[in-house]
Amino acid sequence: DTGVSQNPRHKITKRGQNVTFRCDPISEHNRLYWYRQTLGQGPEFLTYFQNEAQLEKSRLLSDRFSAERPKGSFSTLEIQRTEQGDSAMYLCASSFHYEQYFGPGTRLTVT
Amino acid sequence: AQSVTQLGSHVSVSEGALVLLRCNYSSSVPPYLFWYVQYPNQGLQLLLKYTTGATLVKGINGFEAEFKKSETSFHLTKPSAHMSDAAEYFCAVSEEYGNKLVFGAGTILRVKS
Repeated sequence: DTGVSQNPRHKITKRGQNVTFRCDPISEHNRLYWYRQTLGQGPEFLTYFQNEAQLEKSRLLSDRFSAERPKGSFSTLEIQRTEQGDSAMYLCASSFHYEQYFGPGTRLTVT
Repeated sequence: AQSVTQLGSHVSVSEGALVLLRCNYSSSVPPYLFWYVQYPNQGLQLLLKYTTGATLVKGINGFEAEFKKSETSFHLTKPSAHMSDAAEYFCAVSEEYGNKLVFGAGTILRVKS
């Protein structure tokens, strides 16, 4: 069990560019979650999948954000036309029962 | 809507002293409750959880928490603080099995030698 992995760990991009993050969950976990964490705050829910189905999206997930989980395995989170307000830590978690296990996160800096 | 309030954004204790981190929640249904710890530049690690049954739950590293429905609280305690406990702690609530977590703003624990 290698845990939840996320790539890249850090991303610096210029405003207006598109970025994509990847999350590889723990292999037998059927649920996968994305959260965003800004400095001094707790993580905020963005979206989650059960297998390949996206079951809930937060109002925080504007139309510039899209997430996929093809074949119910890894997931990608894409942000189009990045804005400085998108700078944050993006966390991925997976679960099979009650507990969500978190990856190390991808820190996005938009300049 | 669910919400979580963590009283005290920063808590400082001496090594060996009692640790008490406060968490109050609001939920329209019996909640599932969690405490996570986050060390600098790392992801969140689950300390303990309450789902059903015994209201006093024990977790890793000597931490425990008690679910008090009448007070809508789930405070985290540890009898004796260790330097390695210095980190940020998050309380979280979920209203449905397998559903999203709603987190508090976090409490940074400092342990003085």
